[in-house]
Amino acid sequence: EPEVTQTPSHQVTQMGQEVILRCVPISNHLYFYWYRQILGQKVEFLVSFYNNEISEKSEIFDDQFSVERPDGSNFTLKIRSTKLEDSAMYFCASRGGGNQPQHFGDGTRLSIL
Amino acid sequence: KNEVEQSPQNLTAQEGEFITINCSYSVGISALHWLQQHPGGGIVSLFMLSSGKKKHGRLIATINIQEKHSSLHITASHPRDSAVYICAVNEGAQKLVFGQGTRLTINP
Repeated sequence: EPEVTQTPSHQVTQMGQEVILRCVPISNHLYFYWYRQILGQKVEFLVSFYNNEISEKSEIFDDQFSVERPDGSNFTLKIRSTKLEDSAMYFCASRGGGNQPQHFGDGTRLSIL
Repeated sequence: KNEVEQSPQNLTAQEGEFITINCSYSVGISALHWLQQHPGGGIVSLFMLSSGKKKHGRLIATINIQEKHSSLHITASHPRDSAVYICAVNEGAQKLVFGQGTRLTINP
């Protein structure tokens, strides 16, 4: 069965550094999402992406965050200047058109030191 | 904004027991999802439902739209069912709003 693939599985970065989290959605999917889960807390929506543009973003998704689909297969989340509070598990998800469920990747654990 | 609440937060049971996890939400929705989160963190979609009941193997999910309530049942539970089970609802066309999860432990 096709899967959403995320890399790396674990990223350790110094505070203030830029980090890029990568996702390869399922190939014929049209809608793409990033979520995050701070340790011990609920999963939270960050951003949705459709037709090469952001369709919705949460208040968490401030100017430090950006998303890109650079080559038609990858979907990336960039954090420009990381903060300690960005430490979390970041999940990518994708879904097809119509009323289809979202498929999640295994997540990237981001640790900011 | 939808508020999604799950109960119980933690559940420990013996192998073979019938398990029920509950989810309630505050605002009408188009669909509700049950997800399983493994100890390593990965999330797997179990069910998406908008009415009635769905069954997959030993798992059964039900939803009552009028009462804004859903249940996930596991029959003949097994230690490999141990995981965090998360309820999430569609908000608008795009995003999911998640419950806090129910940590299920099945002892042999």
